[in-house]
Amino acid sequence: AQKVTQAQTEISVVEKEDVTLDCVYETRDTTYYLFWYKQPPSGELVFLIRRNSFDEQNEISGRYSWNFQKSTSSFNFTITASQVVDSAVYFCALSESLNDYKLSFGAGTTVTVRA
Amino acid sequence: GAGVSQTPSNKVTEKGKYVELRCDPISGHTALYWYRQSLGQGPEFLIYFQGTGAADDSGLPNDRFFAVRPEGSVSTLKIQRTERGDSAVYLCASSLMRISSYEQYFGPGTRLTVT
Repeated sequence: AQKVTQAQTEISVVEKEDVTLDCVYETRDTTYYLFWYKQPPSGELVFLIRRNSFDEQNEISGRYSWNFQKSTSSFNFTITASQVVDSAVYFCALSESLNDYKLSFGAGTTVTVRA
Repeated sequence: GAGVSQTPSNKVTEKGKYVELRCDPISGHTALYWYRQSLGQGPEFLIYFQGTGAADDSGLPNDRFFAVRPEGSVSTLKIQRTERGDSAVYLCASSLMRISSYEQYFGPGTRLTVT
């Protein structure tokens, strides 16, 4: 069963527009962890954020912000004032308490930012 | 400091051949992971090492796949009798310890093409 769903396959925006990436997850655990990774064209996955299930506070880091809502099992990611360098594939991932080392990734959303 | 390195970066092999993919984790990281990423998909977990032992190999697709980490540092993923369906990018990651409080750092991957 798919544990992480990223419904948006591709998003294309013009520079300086905001872009929001959706992530819906599924788990029966009460303790779990959610992640976002960025995969630029070079291919190397870059860690962006980790959130545990007990911390529902939204987080902002520069132009990045994350909205975690347990009620809807969503962990959405917004890039504000997008830049060309934000062009990449973004992955949402889940790990569960029993095997907390095992990341289950969504299929990814390709973001293209046009100048 | 040096990140996770993987060699070779690209490997082309004929169906039925044997291949070895190497991963050099970040120095001092005790946990090591292998993932496989097919085109247009997120990475899928293959195997996790804690030290020298494979703590979880539940993601290996079949017995043609095997991985070792004899000295608790470098790991080799071995694929016997390769099939065209094995074509993918094989990603290695390492973390300081196993629990998800520690970020997994990914290498650039080895792109395997089976002809």
